[in-house]
Parts: sequence; structure tokens; C-alpha cells
Amino acid sequence: NAGVTQTPKFQVLKTGQSMTLQCAQDMNHEYMSWYRQDPGMGLRLIHYSVGAGITDQGEVPNGYNVSRSTTEDFPLRLLSAAPSQTSVYFCASSSPRGTSQYFGPGTRLTVL
Amino acid sequence: KNEVEQSPQNLTAQEGEFITINCSYSVGISALHWLQQHPGGGIVSLFMLSSGKKKHGRLIATINIQEKHSSLHITASHPRDSAVYICAVLGVIGGSQGNLIFGKGTKLSVKP
Repeated sequence: NAGVTQTPKFQVLKTGQSMTLQCAQDMNHEYMSWYRQDPGMGLRLIHYSVGAGITDQGEVPNGYNVSRSTTEDFPLRLLSAAPSQTSVYFCASSSPRGTSQYFGPGTRLTVL
Repeated sequence: KNEVEQSPQNLTAQEGEFITINCSYSVGISALHWLQQHPGGGIVSLFMLSSGKKKHGRLIATINIQEKHSSLHITASHPRDSAVYICAVLGVIGGSQGNLIFGKGTKLSVKP
């Protein structure tokens, strides 16, 4: 099992550009989520999904879109990048009832 | 007030010392996770606790549900234990799995 994979590992964008962060898991988990990690703050939930076709907003959803067309994939789209979106992004999946948590390796995004 | 508070924020220890990291939370939970993040690295789950105590090698985690408090102990600390340790609680929404709420982390540095 590859676990949770994320691409790219690093990305530099200019203000106003759009991009998609890819996330995939091969554990057949229903629950997947996206977090951002900023210095001095805990991980914050952006969006999450409890299964294919079902997504919902987390704590900091503005400027981001998600979709879940398959159980495996949960991409995060930045619609129009802003410097405030400079952060490290983590995708995660969890087993039923959240007993096991698996995180991707992270994507370090810089918006100029 | 943050829903999950960790202390200390930073901790420096000498190799071999016994280390304790504390986590207090203010919400109802179904489980608590201790996570480890090495510098520039991904996030790994160390423990999931819903009651009592767990031990993996030199790491021990305890939780007191009534007091809403958990501790992570490292015995005979080693420089390779240097990392950020993150407490995360799993909420409950109407009996379904809620989302993780994270503490800000404790940065541990173990000197040889």
C-alpha cells in the first residue's frame, strides 16, 4: 500500500493563478480531509469528505474548492491564489470512526 | 480559548531524560491522537486513545476522560526523538465521526 500520496511536493504560484493539489489513498477510506499548517498555528481543516460525492467545508474553506468523484481521489483546487494561501498543505484519510489517521507527505505552496 | 491546548510549546532535553508533554481539551471527544512531525517531514500517528494508557517502545500515552487531559511520555529520550508532537482530538457529531481538532504542537529538541 502506498498510503496517502500528494503531488506536487513544492509549488510556487503567482497571485491570481489557479492550481490543483492532488491527493490519493489506496486504503478504501471513506473519510478524507485537507488541512493547512501555518507557523504558530495548529493544523486547520479546509474541506473534508465522508465518501464519494459528499464534501463539506471545514474551518478555513474560503478560496478553495474540492470534489470527490471516487473513493481514492480528493483534489484541492485553489481558484485564484493569494499570498495568504502560502502554507504547507496536508491531505489525510482515516479508517472508520477515525481510529487510524494517515497523512500525506505535504505540499509546500508559496504564492508570490 | 483554543479547544485543544498543549504544554509546553517548546522543550529542550538532554539525551536520556524523561519527557512529558501535556494536552488539555475542552470539547467532548470520541478519541485522542498523538502525532509526530519531524522537521520538514510528514505527520505520523503515534497513538490513538479513547481511555487508559498505551505503550509503544519508549513512548507512553495516557488519557483521563473525566479531566479532559492526556499526556505523552518519552522514556530515555534520544536525539532522534526531536520532532514536533501534536495532540489532536476527534469530535463526535450526532454519533458520527467528527473532525480532528489540533493543538499547536510541542517542539521537542533532545541534545546528545
